[in-house]
Amino acid sequence: AQRVTQPEKLLSVFKGAPVELKCNYSYSGSPELFWYVQYSRQRLQLLLRHISRESIKGFTADLNKGETSFHLKKPFAQEEDSAMYYCALSGPAAGNKLTFGGGTRVLVKP
Amino acid sequence: ETGVTQSPTHLIKTRGQQVTLRCSSQSGHNTVSWYQQALGQGPQFIFQYYREEENGRGNFPPRFSGLQFPNYSSELNVNALELDDSALYLCASTRGGRDYGYTFGSGTRLTVV
Repeated sequence: AQRVTQPEKLLSVFKGAPVELKCNYSYSGSPELFWYVQYSRQRLQLLLRHISRESIKGFTADLNKGETSFHLKKPFAQEEDSAMYYCALSGPAAGNKLTFGGGTRVLVKP
Repeated sequence: ETGVTQSPTHLIKTRGQQVTLRCSSQSGHNTVSWYQQALGQGPQFIFQYYREEENGRGNFPPRFSGLQFPNYSSELNVNALELDDSALYLCASTRGGRDYGYTFGSGTRLTVV
């Protein structure tokens, strides 16, 4: 069965410091991996997906199939990055549904 | 282009009652998924509808049921409500295909007392 694990419930960093959110997954086959973000009082929205290999708001994520990880990174955190971040996967073996991790709350301090 | 809209935004029900939550999918999207998000947890997949047929279901009992209409809007029905059903219920829609660009609604906060 597919599973997504985000080991950190809370990450607290200072503005300008690097931030890395960990995501590990289990899946039979080649999954589609995503990062979703939820800012305060806003709806869940897609941040980035691994197939597009793009950088959004300075965030990047690399799929490491050997380590079954999809960690999210940003070299210089900004206060507006404070939010809840969810890693998710999908794919045929998952019934094409999104399976989410438990989420990591990021707090960027001034 | 309108996004995903859900109604109502908040709801309080008594244990044992039934509830219907509604979702209007984003224009051009034919697939709708429902998720339950308990406090402090990530969203959990309930089921998905594609062209009015259920085409995927998570680990939820049969008292959770749904519908999708010809205009691709959807309903989530929960019978015999239990206290543990208290959660945020999210609806998400997509065009489908390999590029799973799900758009989420703001959710319905259900409280069962």
